[in-house]
Amino acid sequence: DTAVSQTPKYLVTQMGNDKSIKCEQNLGHDTMYWYKQDSKKFLKIMFSYNNKELIINETVPNRFSPKSPDKAHLNLHINSLELGDSAVYFCASSQDWSSGGAGTQYFGPGTRLLVL
Amino acid sequence: GQQVMQIPQYQHVQEGEDFTTYCNSSTTLSNIQWYKQRPGGHPVFLIQLVKSGEVKKQKRLTFQFGEAKKNSSLHITATQTTDVGTYFCAGRTTGGFKTIFGAGTRLFVKA
Repeated sequence: DTAVSQTPKYLVTQMGNDKSIKCEQNLGHDTMYWYKQDSKKFLKIMFSYNNKELIINETVPNRFSPKSPDKAHLNLHINSLELGDSAVYFCASSQDWSSGGAGTQYFGPGTRLLVL
Repeated sequence: GQQVMQIPQYQHVQEGEDFTTYCNSSTTLSNIQWYKQRPGGHPVFLIQLVKSGEVKKQKRLTFQFGEAKKNSSLHITATQTTDVGTYFCAGRTTGGFKTIFGAGTRLFVKA
């Protein structure tokens, strides 16, 4: 009964390809996030959605496009992959204070992306 | 922009020694959370501090939130090899949706 799941777990691809990462949460949370963690372990927020609506969009190249078909899913599509996109991508979800939650973030297991 | 600075970046300790990591925010926070990420794993929530001057303990871990709600610390007493990992603080901005993560402190424990 994984709370936040991501697929795939590993992704090895060539430069220039387009790929997608999927995320699903079964916690009933309203807010979902995508983070990028580089080799130095910096956790950088990329996007946040609240009830399918984009609320945080950090300085991320246009090649990255999130999509939230419903509040339990947040997918990340990446066009024209570059070497610098190699990282671990974490999905997370939370129930925020505005809806009676504590804002604790529950992270998925991560997708390890390697661009060759 | 708003930042949460975390130091040190790395810490090597001998098993049994104490360890502390510190977080400082450029602005007042509404709360601060701490997460632990084991090697190869994902960040896992440890605790949340909300009140000014709050101190919470979890076994050998002591968490503090500063009086001005701009800084926080995590102290581990008598480290064990199971404490190995990266510890992140995450500060929530006042009046906003944003939670800003510190850069993390990577703890290495030598047996």
